[in-house]
Amino acid sequence: EADIYQTPRYLVIGTGKKITLECSQTMGHDKMYWYQQDPGMELHLIHYSYGVNSTEKGDLSSESTVSRIRTEHFPLTLESARPSHTSQYLCASSESRTGYTGELFFGEGSRLTVL
Amino acid sequence: GDSVTQMEGPVTLSEEAFLTINCTYTATGYPSLFWYVQYPGEGLQLLLKATKADDKGSNKGFEATYRKETTSFHLEKGSVQVSDSAVYFCALSDRPSSARQLTFGSGTQLTVLP
Repeated sequence: EADIYQTPRYLVIGTGKKITLECSQTMGHDKMYWYQQDPGMELHLIHYSYGVNSTEKGDLSSESTVSRIRTEHFPLTLESARPSHTSQYLCASSESRTGYTGELFFGEGSRLTVL
Repeated sequence: GDSVTQMEGPVTLSEEAFLTINCTYTATGYPSLFWYVQYPGEGLQLLLKATKADDKGSNKGFEATYRKETTSFHLEKGSVQVSDSAVYFCALSDRPSSARQLTFGSGTQLTVLP
């Protein structure tokens, strides 16, 4: 059973507000990811991390930023939210042990609405 | 680069109907293949996987066979239920050592009517 948690599940905020979406996993996985899911359901990788103090931008350009100070924690921050940031954000993790086949474990998602 | 092409949805079936969702892929190496499922309001869950050619993944009545000759990994279920209504994603992993290792298809929305 996956142990990866996202908060908040739902957030409605006004334009210009700063928001942080939290993601934590208790599996000791070194790799973590943020995906943005558009209304058409397609997934877009926006950030990933190999481990502590490692962060990289994904395939889709995003105004959000991430940090990885602890293995279990990978928060995503928007300094000034805009309506175009309205979306579902999914956090995931995986491990990189020998023989690893690529399975990701996902949180339940954070649905952000910016008015 | 790697890519996954999925059958476009939405797909609507009656309960107990047979389901096929097509998935084909392009990869440079010998990828592992996955089907993930996303139920309404939730994140993605691994449904099944296959790590080498001719492997069959199965779970909850769903099956998919890794066909290297046709570069396909079609999802099938003999008799769908209303509870199978969800979005299904085909995915591949071609570089296990890389963090950016999963390539997803665009997802197929399945609705099963009672």
